[in-house]
Amino acid sequence: KNEVEQSPQNLTAQEGEFITINCSYSVGISALHWLQQHPGGGIVSLFMLSSGKKKHGRLIATINIQEKHSSLHITASHPRDSAVYICAVSRRGATGKLIFGQGTTLQVKP
Amino acid sequence: NAGVTQTPKFRVLKTGQSMTLLCAQDMNHEYMYWYRQDPGMGLRLIHYSVGEGTTAKGEVPDGYNVSRLKKQNFLLGLESAAPSQTSVYFCASSYPRTSGGITDTQYFGPGTRLTVL
Repeated sequence: KNEVEQSPQNLTAQEGEFITINCSYSVGISALHWLQQHPGGGIVSLFMLSSGKKKHGRLIATINIQEKHSSLHITASHPRDSAVYICAVSRRGATGKLIFGQGTTLQVKP
Repeated sequence: NAGVTQTPKFRVLKTGQSMTLLCAQDMNHEYMYWYRQDPGMGLRLIHYSVGEGTTAKGEVPDGYNVSRLKKQNFLLGLESAAPSQTSVYFCASSYPRTSGGITDTQYFGPGTRLTVL
């Protein structure tokens, strides 16, 4: 079983819809990261969080440390949000190294 | 401020050939990483470095070597390329926080697409 699991693996939405991507992990962590990768593009860090909730524009990331679960929400989705969203965790005590989920491929149709 | 750059962007090798991938960062980051990304596998750590002159093995180090002679550069070498090393390679860097083992945000390069025939 992977230490970081994302769901769903693939997601198709209509423009304007509210989107949720989930991430569960099984190890003790010091931080959780959400990353974005556009088709053929590089990887960009969206959020790093160790508790609570962070918001940036239409993106919201939450984490529940007790339940070892995080969610990434996209409000008022747009076709330009189409990308692969990757969850990764920094294992507690293993400074620097990340454990990655397999990614969620999101397609937002106009 | 270029961030993290990688050279080359694309490369095709024949089995048994060698090559070096170069990663450079201009953010004065201590930590640097090499990952490979394969369909359905997610990102996997090959080697990493926590400072100039240091390197360590990651999850999938076999067939690769690295060097960090200068703080800003991290080289990934393939001594004898194999078709199984066909992948997209990403370099990343970060500046770790000093307490609690909390890792700061990793900044990724644009990737190198390598095909081994």
